[in-house]
Amino acid sequence: AQKVTQAQTEISVVEKEDVTLDCVYETRDTTYYLFWYKQPPSGELVFLIRRNSFDEQNEISGRYSWNFQKSTSSFNFTITASQVVDSAVYFCALSEAPLTSGTYKYIFGTGTRLKVLA
Amino acid sequence: DTAVSQTPKYLVTQMGNDKSIKCEQNLGHDTMYWYKQDSKKFLKIMFSYNNKELIINETVPNRFSPKSPDKAHLNLHINSLELGDSAVYFCASSQGRLGLQLGNTIYFGEGSWLTVV
Repeated sequence: AQKVTQAQTEISVVEKEDVTLDCVYETRDTTYYLFWYKQPPSGELVFLIRRNSFDEQNEISGRYSWNFQKSTSSFNFTITASQVVDSAVYFCALSEAPLTSGTYKYIFGTGTRLKVLA
Repeated sequence: DTAVSQTPKYLVTQMGNDKSIKCEQNLGHDTMYWYKQDSKKFLKIMFSYNNKELIINETVPNRFSPKSPDKAHLNLHINSLELGDSAVYFCASSQGRLGLQLGNTIYFGEGSWLTVV
């Protein structure tokens, strides 16, 4: 069965520090997708990144970077030089290959609340 | 333009009432979802529709009834509201097609904050 674990419930850092949010997943499929979403205090869920299981290249987008390691079933998210605006709840999610009729089922982790202090 | 829009954003109602939340997506996606987020921020899927057909129904009480008049709309009707229904309800959509090369990123609406008093 699918499972996504975000063991860090809450992290507090001081502005400009680097911070890594951990995500560990379980799946029996060889084909799957991994995601990160951001939920700022305003409440909306914002898509950050998608990674498929065949692409283990790390990705960098500005201050954000993601480290995907199949060997450890992890998809960790690092924010470099954190800013107050990064304060949010971050969710990792897993989606396996379609069930039927092309419908993907997503499983979300429990989220990590990041507080960046000025 | 809002990709996934849901109304109302805030809803306060009394126990026992019936209420609906509407959702529309203009992304041309085939699949729509309702998720519930509780006070601990836990996100749980409730329903999924693919081209107006119910695909996923995750052990949700019968008081919750989704309706999809077309693939761009997925409404959620809740009968006999209970205190425990208080949560944020997110509508979402994704392309949901077969094939690794096709995007299946799920896009969320802004959420509907339901408070039952």
